[in-house]
Amino acid sequence: DAGVIQSPRHEVTEMGQEVTLRCKPISGHNSLFWYRQTMMRGLELLIYFNNNVPIDDSGMPEDRFSAKMPNASFSTLKIQPSEPRDSAVYFCASSPQFGTDHSNQPQHFGDGTRLSIL
Amino acid sequence: GQQVMQIPQYQHVQEGEDFTTYCNSSTTLSNIQWYKQRPGGHPVFLIQLVKSGEVKKQKRLTFQFGEAKKNSSLHITATQTTDVGTYFCAGPNPRSGGSNYKLTFGKGTLLTVNP
Repeated sequence: DAGVIQSPRHEVTEMGQEVTLRCKPISGHNSLFWYRQTMMRGLELLIYFNNNVPIDDSGMPEDRFSAKMPNASFSTLKIQPSEPRDSAVYFCASSPQFGTDHSNQPQHFGDGTRLSIL
Repeated sequence: GQQVMQIPQYQHVQEGEDFTTYCNSSTTLSNIQWYKQRPGGHPVFLIQLVKSGEVKKQKRLTFQFGEAKKNSSLHITATQTTDVGTYFCAGPNPRSGGSNYKLTFGKGTLLTVNP
């Protein structure tokens, strides 16, 4: 079975440009998560969706970041305008719906997008 | 807010030595998950612990969940070069809502193994 698919794998662009990262979750998974990973801050949750609806976007750094999930098989994370401090690896992860009261479903991560803003 | 702390940040061992990483939460956890990320790779789910005092084993890896459900550990016996990577613990944030709680990840422990 295909895992979580992210594109592009690498992106290098100049500051001020718009950046769009794409994610295709595993078929049948109802929860989708966007993370950012840096050496300084580790793995940070930016936003997560359940059944295509944004549930928690408290991790989105600022208004320059936006995320959408128009259908169950596609999500985008957009940065506009981009800044050098946005340079990081961005991961998308998905999980099946419904953990129990005490357990979560495992999250399945994509290969990530390595973003460099010059 | 909830914090999940891991120690040590780095650990370098000789192949064949044991390795342990510890995870501590500022709040009681309903469960804890462990992930491994190889250099240049993505986090991969290893295991989930749910019960107080639970111990689970995967070959040379032993996972424990504390009695108070606020701490956890991962122990690797006789490390091999294939164990190299960063090991993360992650705990759910019960305020996140939705049918899957969002996870707060620790900063991870980077394990390097000298052959």
